[in-house]
Amino acid sequence: GQNIDQPTEMTATEGAIVQINCTYQTSGFNGLFWYQQHAGEAPTFLSYNVLDGLEEKGRFSSFLSRSKGYSYLLLKELQMKDSASYLCAVRVGTGGFKTIFGAGTRLFVKA
Amino acid sequence: SAVISQKPSRDICQRGTSLTIQCQVDSQVTMMFWYRQQPGQSLTLIATANQGSEATYESGFVIDKFPISRPNLTFSTLTVSNMSPEDSSIYLCSASTGVSYEQYFGPGTRLTVT
Repeated sequence: GQNIDQPTEMTATEGAIVQINCTYQTSGFNGLFWYQQHAGEAPTFLSYNVLDGLEEKGRFSSFLSRSKGYSYLLLKELQMKDSASYLCAVRVGTGGFKTIFGAGTRLFVKA
Repeated sequence: SAVISQKPSRDICQRGTSLTIQCQVDSQVTMMFWYRQQPGQSLTLIATANQGSEATYESGFVIDKFPISRPNLTFSTLTVSNMSPEDSSIYLCSASTGVSYEQYFGPGTRLTVT
């Protein structure tokens, strides 16, 4: 079966750095996504990792270790607007594919 | 990129009735998907909408309850049949071009069943 685990909630302070972890056990792994979702809105794409290592994009970075079934999303210089749910999702399949989402981590940024 | 629109944006329906949700993409896409997101929870994949053939359903979802059509590369519908209050949820259409890895989401349809 497919299993994706991430913490339910995290709290961090404005201006700080926070790391959201994700572990997965899937068959047919074909990449890992991070999405941001504000309450009442659709998910928006943050990052995609298919190879091991760190991908940096502005204040957000994402890391993948395929051998460990592990990823993290790193958010730097936190802003209040970063308060949202962060969804770890794994793409599985070859040729045709589908994306399976974890339960999401609700991040609260406090002043 | 792809911009996805959904209709209706929200609806309140009576138990036992059916609702069809439309999803329109502004460009041709290879893959289209339907997800459900219940309050406070993450996204659950209902099915992959296949162009010109029957949809591929995930475990726990069946065609009789959630019939899906995809007549072309830019349009799909999801019907929620014989609704019960447990079907109250947000239904999201998603698409991927296959050229880039990014998966795009529509704004969702908020369904309340009374």
